[in-house]
Amino acid sequence: GESVGLHLPTLSVQEGDNSIINCAYSNSASDYFIWYKQESGKGPQFIIDIRSNMDKRQGQRVTVLLNKTVKHLSLQIAATQPGDSAVYFCAETDRGSTLGRLYFGRGTQLTVWP
Amino acid sequence: DAGVIQSPRHEVTEMGQEVTLRCKPISGHDYLFWYRQTMMRGLELLIYFNNNVPIDDSGMPEDRFSAKMPNASFSTLKIQPSEPRDSAVYFCASSLRGLAEAFFGQGTRLTVV
Repeated sequence: GESVGLHLPTLSVQEGDNSIINCAYSNSASDYFIWYKQESGKGPQFIIDIRSNMDKRQGQRVTVLLNKTVKHLSLQIAATQPGDSAVYFCAETDRGSTLGRLYFGRGTQLTVWP
Repeated sequence: DAGVIQSPRHEVTEMGQEVTLRCKPISGHDYLFWYRQTMMRGLELLIYFNNNVPIDDSGMPEDRFSAKMPNASFSTLKIQPSEPRDSAVYFCASSLRGLAEAFFGQGTRLTVV
């Protein structure tokens, strides 16, 4: 499958600051992207998704930005809280191919300190 | 709903033994996914089912791995014989709409010694 990678394996931020987690993908045919959060000892949890016909989508305290020109995806977390500490994964797929085959990046460990 | 339920949470077995991992998806979900997570390879999709039918098993590493879904509320992933390189966390996930918002279980941490 196509590779999905992350620029930063670890990110440490102070509580209250904004966090930005980046992700690069290589498959230009990818048209659907998801961010997951995985806390220690738990399975990945859906955060937010975005389709390729959009360049920005906002959720509660989170914003995903998509730049198809450079095949780059980012997750912005506003006012980061200790509970945001986790590994964050981006995942991508080409919905024109086999439905269900998501390709995950390696993940970024976000640590929030008081 | 209790979410996706996997059992056991932890499994330690000797090389060559058969291992069976179990999953109960969220009621009403028609997609079920099995993933494997390792430090080296990250999260990999092994196989997924739609309405109990295997759709894509191209991620299954080799013939030692098999998965079944005899009904809408139960699936198994079997490894026979197990090898140390199978050590990983295995996740089951289910979804109502295929890709979107798949709900993951807590995972089974498998250690093959």
